[in-house]
Amino acid sequence: GDSVTQMEGPVTLSEEAFLTINCTYTATGYPSLFWYVQYPGEGLQLLLKATKADDKGSNKGFEATYRKETTSFHLEKGSVQVSDSAVYFCALMEAAGNKLTFGGGTRVLVKP
Amino acid sequence: DAGVIQSPRHEVTEMGQEVTLRCKPISGHNSLFWYRQTMMRGLELLIYFNNNVPIDDSGMPEDRFSAKMPNASFSTLKIQPSEPRDSAVYFCASSLLSSGANVLTFGAGSRLTVL
Repeated sequence: GDSVTQMEGPVTLSEEAFLTINCTYTATGYPSLFWYVQYPGEGLQLLLKATKADDKGSNKGFEATYRKETTSFHLEKGSVQVSDSAVYFCALMEAAGNKLTFGGGTRVLVKP
Repeated sequence: DAGVIQSPRHEVTEMGQEVTLRCKPISGHNSLFWYRQTMMRGLELLIYFNNNVPIDDSGMPEDRFSAKMPNASFSTLKIQPSEPRDSAVYFCASSLLSSGANVLTFGAGSRLTVL
């Protein structure tokens, strides 16, 4: 079945540092890929998405590129802020489907 | 729009009691999902509905769990009887089913503690 694997956290870094969170997936066909973010005590929010190979999703300084050849969708941000401290989830949705399959989540802590 | 509304936000109950969690999806959305989040298992899809009809309930852990969607604006997830291992945060999400990549909007969650 479909699955998503992302790097385990926590990831601790200083403000203005570069952030990368690795995400790889296994799926049949051509899924859509997503990054969701969960701030403390809140539900998940869509951060960005990509629907086909080589698409780049971007939002709030975060970017991720759909790499079909490596089945990856790594999340990056060039300069993190304390407010980026959260748990980040990579997820996929089957091409003809309607449900999200999530990775295990990566906790990111940004220190001033 | 007020977003996806879940209640209660927090529930503490004793083992054996019935628990009912409620969800109001975003108006106009036609798909609704129930997820459970725990430290050990992460986010698990329990069940989802399209146009109020259950489509996939393969994630429902056992017969103690049941979910209903009597109309487009309301859904419940019931646990009877509850057990300590049911302690988790339960999220409801809704989306507009379309031909593209459906974006799920999540509620704030219901944190359940079973003593």
